[in-house]
Amino acid sequence: AQKITQTQPGMFVQEKEAVTLDCTYDTSDPSYGLFWYKQPSSGEMIFLIYQGSYDQQNATEGRYSLNFQKARKSANLVISASQLGDSAMYFCAMREENTGNQFYFGTGTSLTVIP
Amino acid sequence: NAGVTQTPKFQVLKTGQSMTLQCAQDMNHNSMYWYRQDPGMGLRLIYYSASEGTTDKGEVPNGYNVSRLNKREFSLRLESAAPSQTSVYFCASSLLRSNQPQHFGDGTRLSIL
Repeated sequence: AQKITQTQPGMFVQEKEAVTLDCTYDTSDPSYGLFWYKQPSSGEMIFLIYQGSYDQQNATEGRYSLNFQKARKSANLVISASQLGDSAMYFCAMREENTGNQFYFGTGTSLTVIP
Repeated sequence: NAGVTQTPKFQVLKTGQSMTLQCAQDMNHNSMYWYRQDPGMGLRLIYYSASEGTTDKGEVPNGYNVSRLNKREFSLRLESAAPSQTSVYFCASSLLRSNQPQHFGDGTRLSIL
């Protein structure tokens, strides 16, 4: 079974609007971390935001927030007030405490911000 | 700050040639990783090293070998390159805690003719 599933290969959003990128995960480990990365066309991988499985509140970092629904095993990334520079690939990843050495990545969502 | 440094950035090989991709990190991280990225397939783990002196296979280890030379350096070797190994290769490192993200190098674009 896939550890991380991203069902949206491509998304479009109007500049200044908010957008949600979906991510579901599969684990039986009670302790895990969820991460989102951005990969612009230049190719580098940029860490955006982290959510721990025991965190009571949804993580936020500037315009990025994580809509964490533990019972549904989803960790959706919300980008508010989209900017042209947000156009990129976005990857969701998970790290389990008991197998903490490995990261599991989804296949990514390509976001295009329309002016 | 250098972070994670990969060399080379680009390489073209002929089928059957060998080469080593180099990776070094200066963040005192325990764990290091090698991934390949192909269109539509996200990042696939080739090998990782949880700590100095240990290495483990990931999802797609065939055709590759690794060496954790010391805490800073983790190299990936292609003994006999094949066209199927044409890809972008990323090295990453992290601390050995589940709340710590990976930090990535800029990638190596490798083409096998």
